[in-house]
Amino acid sequence: QKEVEQNSGPLSVPEGAIASLNCTYSDRGSQSFFWYRQYSGKSPELIMFIYSNGDKEDGRFTAQLNKASQYVSLLIRDSQPSDSATYLCAAARPSYDKVIFGPGTSLSVIP
Amino acid sequence: DTEVTQTPKHLVMGMTNKKSLKCEQHMGHRAMYWYKQKAKKPPELMFVYSYEKLSINESVPSRFSPECPNSSLLNLHLHALQPEDSALYLCASSQFLGQGGETQYFGPGTRLLVL
Repeated sequence: QKEVEQNSGPLSVPEGAIASLNCTYSDRGSQSFFWYRQYSGKSPELIMFIYSNGDKEDGRFTAQLNKASQYVSLLIRDSQPSDSATYLCAAARPSYDKVIFGPGTSLSVIP
Repeated sequence: DTEVTQTPKHLVMGMTNKKSLKCEQHMGHRAMYWYKQKAKKPPELMFVYSYEKLSINESVPSRFSPECPNSSLLNLHLHALQPEDSALYLCASSQFLGQGGETQYFGPGTRLLVL
């Protein structure tokens, strides 16, 4: 079982819709979680981090964490074509010595 | 400011060459990382430095040699690479290695092609 899992996609949503990206993790001791956006040929860009159960909102982005279910999600409201990218979910190991990345979900927002 | 810079942006080298990748941050971060990323794959951790000391080496071949001359700089020395080492090499930094300091910020990367 991989430590951090994501649907590889591609996930296609129409412009203006809500895109929902999901991530599960296997190590119950993980405490910190991150969402990165990566455009093709570019480096990962931090979008959100979340430590506490519940929702965390930043503009059009909402991260949701459910530690009991070992589940993290990212909602993108009013999706724009510029949101088309690969979204990487990452979890910090309980020892906090490294961050484990999921395989990424490719999102395509159709105009 | 959450900027991490990397040079060069692109590098082409032969298998007998020696070259170095450079990374710099001025955010006062005390943890710095080297990752390797192949197309359509997530970043793969290579090395972690914490307070200028090597903390993690993910069993990387010795043809990759990291160096952390000071708290702002991180180098990756390359020697006798193989074509399969062609990839995007990413540097990242975080406040420190530990709870609360683990949010990583990435540089733009160096795209390396080994011929």
